[in-house]
Amino acid sequence: ETGVTQSPTHLIKTRGQQVTLRCSSQSGHNTVSWYQQALGQGPQFIFQYYREEENGRGNFPPRFSGLQFPNYSSELNVNALELDDSALYLCASSLLWVVRGEGIQETQYFGPGTRLLVL
Amino acid sequence: AQTVTQSQPEMSVQEAETVTLSCTYDTSESDYYLFWYKQPPSRQMILVIRQEAYKQQNATENRFSVNFQKAAKSFSLKISDSQLGDAAMYFCAYNTDKLIFGTGTRLQVFP
Repeated sequence: ETGVTQSPTHLIKTRGQQVTLRCSSQSGHNTVSWYQQALGQGPQFIFQYYREEENGRGNFPPRFSGLQFPNYSSELNVNALELDDSALYLCASSLLWVVRGEGIQETQYFGPGTRLLVL
Repeated sequence: AQTVTQSQPEMSVQEAETVTLSCTYDTSESDYYLFWYKQPPSRQMILVIRQEAYKQQNATENRFSVNFQKAAKSFSLKISDSQLGDAAMYFCAYNTDKLIFGTGTRLQVFP
């Protein structure tokens, strides 16, 4: 058990719809990262939130957006769903230290994921 | 750009035997972390072991150990006394501010 939860576990949407995925981080962790894992692939970094602000983004279009809340919860929103968005979405929480302007991130702990199918 | 390469798509091992999974990475950074994660069929990503790049000593966690060669940018995972429950996808990952994963190695364990 990592103490990181995600909801829902499974979701089916149709192309063009919007979806919101939720994550609850470990207590005390100030950073949440989201990853997309297509079948047979390694996870790909979508973005990271640190203290409720975006702190880095991977090669994903703006229709992927997120929010982080003070109560250790966070959301991943995807607009205008496409068939290729079908994947496992993983969130990971961690503690990020900023020392002399540089970020030092401790181990990321993953939730069980949300499986999204876009038809 | 940082990259992580796992050159073994599949490996197999007999129960109680030892197996080594390979990983190489490319980076210009001097301080970073390396991880091995295990992903069973449930697809929950589970941390197996972590190595800080500034530490010369190889990390060990019970039956799991790594061979970290910083100059060669190599980070292999050794699983000793393999168990049926070790069967899973294993991902090597590099971390500074985000995790960069390799493509994974599927490990099968035969009784």
